[in-house]
Amino acid sequence: EIVMTQSPATLSVSPGERATLSCRASQSVSSNLAWYQQKPGQAPRLLIYGASTRATGIPARFSGSGSGTEFTLTISSLQSEDFAVYYCQQYNNWPALTFGGGTKVEIK
Amino acid sequence: QITLKESGPTLVKPTQTLTLTCTFSGFSLSTSGVGVGWIRQPPGKALEWLALIYWNDDKRYSPSLKSRLTITKDTSKNQVVLTMTNMDPVDTATYYCAHDYGDYGFFDYWGQGTLVTVSS
Repeated sequence: EIVMTQSPATLSVSPGERATLSCRASQSVSSNLAWYQQKPGQAPRLLIYGASTRATGIPARFSGSGSGTEFTLTISSLQSEDFAVYYCQQYNNWPALTFGGGTKVEIK
Repeated sequence: QITLKESGPTLVKPTQTLTLTCTFSGFSLSTSGVGVGWIRQPPGKALEWLALIYWNDDKRYSPSLKSRLTITKDTSKNQVVLTMTNMDPVDTATYYCAHDYGDYGFFDYWGQGTLVTVSS
Protein backbone atom coordinates (compact mmCIF):
# COMPACT_ATOMS: atom_id res chain seq x y z
CA GLU A 1 0.00 0.00 0.00
CA ILE A 2 1.22 3.49 -0.89
CA VAL A 3 1.40 5.81 2.11
CA MET A 4 0.56 9.46 1.49
CA THR A 5 2.13 11.94 3.91
CA GLN A 6 0.90 15.52 4.04
CA SER A 7 2.72 18.43 5.60
CA PRO A 8 2.34 20.50 7.56
CA ALA A 9 -0.52 19.14 9.64
CA THR A 10 -1.70 22.70 10.27
CA LEU A 11 -0.91 25.81 8.29
CA SER A 12 -1.69 29.25 9.71
CA VAL A 13 -2.12 31.83 6.98
CA SER A 14 -3.51 35.35 6.79
CA PRO A 15 -6.23 36.15 4.25
CA GLY A 16 -4.68 37.26 0.97
CA GLU A 17 -1.47 35.35 1.56
CA ARG A 18 -0.21 32.33 -0.36
CA ALA A 19 -0.57 28.84 1.07
CA THR A 20 1.63 25.95 0.00
CA LEU A 21 0.63 22.42 1.00
CA SER A 22 2.77 19.34 0.43
CA CYS A 23 1.94 15.71 -0.22
CA ARG A 24 4.52 12.96 -0.48
CA ALA A 25 3.97 9.40 -1.71
CA SER A 26 5.95 6.45 -0.38
CA GLN A 27 6.49 5.34 -3.97
CA SER A 28 5.84 6.86 -7.35
CA VAL A 29 2.21 7.52 -8.27
CA SER A 30 3.11 9.20 -11.57
CA SER A 31 0.61 12.08 -11.94
CA ASN A 32 -2.30 10.11 -10.53
CA LEU A 33 -2.89 12.46 -7.64
CA ALA A 34 -6.02 14.31 -6.59
CA TRP A 35 -6.61 17.08 -4.04
CA TYR A 36 -9.81 17.62 -2.08
CA GLN A 37 -11.08 20.39 0.18
CA GLN A 38 -13.28 19.60 3.15
CA LYS A 39 -15.08 22.10 5.35
CA PRO A 40 -16.55 21.19 8.74
CA GLY A 41 -19.68 19.09 8.44
CA GLN A 42 -19.38 18.82 4.67
CA ALA A 43 -18.30 16.17 2.21
CA PRO A 44 -14.96 16.54 0.46
CA ARG A 45 -14.88 18.58 -2.75
CA LEU A 46 -12.63 17.66 -5.65
CA LEU A 47 -10.18 20.47 -6.45
CA ILE A 48 -7.42 18.98 -8.58
CA TYR A 49 -6.84 15.72 -10.44
CA GLY A 50 -4.00 14.49 -12.59
CA ALA A 51 -1.78 16.42 -10.14
CA SER A 52 -2.44 19.73 -11.89
CA THR A 53 -5.85 19.83 -13.61
CA ARG A 54 -8.46 21.90 -11.86
CA ALA A 55 -11.87 20.29 -11.52
CA THR A 56 -14.94 21.98 -12.95
CA GLY A 57 -15.73 25.26 -11.24
CA ILE A 58 -12.57 25.45 -9.16
CA PRO A 59 -11.10 28.97 -9.02
CA ALA A 60 -7.77 29.65 -10.70
CA ARG A 61 -6.17 30.56 -7.36
CA PHE A 62 -5.91 26.82 -6.72
CA SER A 63 -3.05 25.12 -8.53
CA GLY A 64 -1.38 21.76 -8.27
CA SER A 65 2.05 20.60 -9.30
CA GLY A 66 4.41 17.67 -9.00
CA SER A 67 4.79 14.11 -10.19
CA GLY A 68 6.27 10.88 -8.95
CA THR A 69 6.42 11.20 -5.17
CA GLU A 70 6.32 14.94 -4.46
CA PHE A 71 3.24 17.11 -4.94
CA THR A 72 2.18 20.61 -4.02
CA LEU A 73 -1.16 22.39 -3.76
CA THR A 74 -0.87 26.16 -3.88
CA ILE A 75 -3.59 28.63 -3.02
CA SER A 76 -2.31 31.89 -4.42
CA SER A 77 -4.32 34.34 -2.33
CA LEU A 78 -6.34 32.85 0.47
CA GLN A 79 -9.99 33.83 0.67
CA SER A 80 -12.13 33.38 3.76
CA GLU A 81 -13.90 30.41 2.19
CA ASP A 82 -10.59 28.59 1.66
CA PHE A 83 -9.98 27.87 5.33
CA ALA A 84 -10.58 24.14 5.48
CA VAL A 85 -8.84 20.77 5.56
CA TYR A 86 -7.14 19.58 2.39
CA TYR A 87 -6.49 15.96 1.47
CA CYS A 88 -4.41 14.40 -1.26
CA GLN A 89 -5.28 11.00 -2.74
CA GLN A 90 -3.34 8.71 -5.03
CA TYR A 91 -5.15 6.59 -7.60
CA ASN A 92 -2.15 5.02 -9.29
CA ASN A 93 -1.86 1.89 -7.19
CA TRP A 94 -4.89 -0.37 -7.50
CA PRO A 95 -6.65 -1.76 -5.66
CA ALA A 96 -5.52 0.37 -2.75
CA LEU A 97 -6.61 3.96 -3.19
CA THR A 98 -5.07 5.96 -0.37
CA PHE A 99 -5.54 9.39 1.14
CA GLY A 100 -3.12 11.56 3.05
CA GLY A 101 -3.71 12.57 6.65
CA GLY A 102 -4.81 16.07 5.70
CA THR A 103 -3.56 19.63 6.17
CA LYS A 104 -5.72 22.08 8.06
CA VAL A 105 -5.46 25.64 6.76
CA GLU A 106 -6.44 28.02 9.52
CA ILE A 107 -6.66 31.75 9.89
CA LYS A 108 -3.53 33.33 11.30
CA GLN B 1 -26.96 17.13 -12.21
CA ILE B 2 -25.30 14.31 -10.28
CA THR B 3 -26.44 13.67 -6.73
CA LEU B 4 -25.79 10.85 -4.29
CA LYS B 5 -27.29 10.11 -0.91
CA GLU B 6 -26.37 7.54 1.69
CA SER B 7 -28.90 5.76 3.89
CA GLY B 8 -28.72 3.14 6.58
CA PRO B 9 -28.66 2.67 10.34
CA THR B 10 -27.10 5.32 12.55
CA LEU B 11 -26.33 2.84 15.31
CA VAL B 12 -25.14 -0.74 15.10
CA LYS B 13 -23.96 -3.11 17.79
CA PRO B 14 -20.51 -4.72 17.85
CA THR B 15 -20.32 -7.91 15.74
CA GLN B 16 -23.36 -6.89 13.68
CA THR B 17 -23.35 -6.40 9.93
CA LEU B 18 -23.75 -2.89 8.54
CA THR B 19 -25.70 -2.37 5.33
CA LEU B 20 -25.55 1.02 3.65
CA THR B 21 -27.34 2.11 0.51
CA CYS B 22 -26.24 4.82 -1.89
CA THR B 23 -29.06 6.16 -4.05
CA PHE B 24 -27.94 8.32 -6.91
CA SER B 25 -29.28 10.33 -9.83
CA GLY B 26 -27.87 12.12 -12.84
CA PHE B 27 -25.94 9.15 -14.18
CA SER B 28 -26.39 5.45 -14.85
CA LEU B 29 -24.28 2.56 -13.62
CA SER B 30 -24.96 0.83 -16.90
CA THR B 31 -22.93 3.45 -18.78
CA SER B 32 -19.40 2.49 -19.75
CA GLY B 33 -16.73 3.85 -17.42
CA VAL B 34 -19.05 4.79 -14.56
CA GLY B 35 -18.22 3.80 -11.00
CA VAL B 36 -19.42 4.44 -7.45
CA GLY B 37 -17.22 4.15 -4.39
CA TRP B 38 -17.47 4.21 -0.62
CA ILE B 39 -15.16 6.20 1.62
CA ARG B 40 -15.34 6.62 5.39
CA GLN B 41 -14.03 9.13 7.90
CA PRO B 42 -13.82 8.51 11.65
CA PRO B 43 -14.62 11.60 13.72
CA GLY B 44 -11.74 14.07 13.49
CA LYS B 45 -9.67 11.76 11.32
CA ALA B 46 -8.69 11.32 7.70
CA LEU B 47 -10.54 9.75 4.79
CA GLU B 48 -10.26 6.03 4.10
CA TRP B 49 -11.33 4.41 0.85
CA LEU B 50 -13.35 1.21 1.26
CA ALA B 51 -14.69 -0.14 -2.03
CA LEU B 52 -15.65 0.72 -5.58
CA ILE B 53 -17.94 -0.88 -8.17
CA TYR B 54 -17.96 -0.18 -11.87
CA TRP B 55 -20.55 -0.31 -14.62
CA ASN B 56 -19.30 -3.75 -15.75
CA ASP B 57 -19.58 -5.15 -12.19
CA ASP B 58 -15.83 -4.88 -11.64
CA LYS B 59 -15.47 -4.65 -7.85
CA ARG B 60 -12.46 -3.36 -5.94
CA TYR B 61 -11.85 -3.43 -2.22
CA SER B 62 -9.46 -1.98 0.30
CA PRO B 63 -6.99 -4.80 0.94
CA SER B 64 -7.11 -4.23 4.70
CA LEU B 65 -10.91 -4.57 4.84
CA LYS B 66 -11.59 -6.87 1.91
CA SER B 67 -12.64 -9.83 4.02
CA ARG B 68 -15.41 -7.79 5.64
CA LEU B 69 -16.79 -5.85 2.66
CA THR B 70 -19.22 -6.60 -0.12
CA ILE B 71 -20.31 -4.04 -2.71
CA THR B 72 -23.19 -4.60 -5.11
CA LYS B 73 -25.25 -2.55 -7.50
CA ASP B 74 -28.86 -2.43 -8.61
CA THR B 75 -28.81 -0.58 -11.89
CA SER B 76 -32.59 -0.48 -12.20
CA LYS B 77 -32.90 1.28 -8.84
CA ASN B 78 -29.82 3.49 -9.25
CA GLN B 79 -28.42 2.11 -6.03
CA VAL B 80 -25.15 0.76 -4.70
CA VAL B 81 -25.10 -1.25 -1.49
CA LEU B 82 -22.14 -1.75 0.84
CA THR B 83 -22.15 -4.38 3.56
CA MET B 84 -19.52 -4.56 6.27
CA THR B 85 -19.49 -7.52 8.61
CA ASN B 86 -18.34 -7.86 12.20
CA MET B 87 -18.63 -4.19 13.09
CA ASP B 88 -16.43 -2.83 15.87
CA PRO B 89 -16.39 0.51 17.70
CA VAL B 90 -13.34 1.52 15.63
CA ASP B 91 -15.64 1.42 12.57
CA THR B 92 -17.54 4.41 13.92
CA ALA B 93 -17.33 6.94 11.12
CA THR B 94 -19.14 9.02 8.56
CA TYR B 95 -19.62 6.88 5.49
CA TYR B 96 -19.69 8.58 2.10
CA CYS B 97 -20.56 7.31 -1.32
CA ALA B 98 -19.09 9.07 -4.32
CA HIS B 99 -19.06 9.07 -8.11
CA ASP B 100 -15.81 7.93 -9.72
CA TYR B 101 -14.55 10.29 -12.40
CA GLY B 102 -14.65 8.03 -15.42
CA ASP B 103 -12.93 4.86 -14.25
CA TYR B 104 -9.91 6.62 -12.78
CA GLY B 105 -10.24 6.10 -9.05
CA PHE B 106 -10.89 9.61 -7.80
CA PHE B 107 -14.21 11.13 -6.92
CA ASP B 108 -15.89 14.20 -8.37
CA TYR B 109 -19.30 14.03 -6.70
CA TRP B 110 -19.94 13.01 -3.11
CA GLY B 111 -22.97 12.30 -1.01
CA GLN B 112 -23.54 14.20 2.21
CA GLY B 113 -22.38 11.24 4.29
CA THR B 114 -24.04 9.27 7.05
CA LEU B 115 -22.66 8.87 10.54
CA VAL B 116 -22.62 5.31 11.79
CA THR B 117 -21.89 4.69 15.46
CA VAL B 118 -20.88 1.25 16.67
CA SER B 119 -21.79 0.75 20.31
CA SER B 120 -23.49 -1.74 22.52
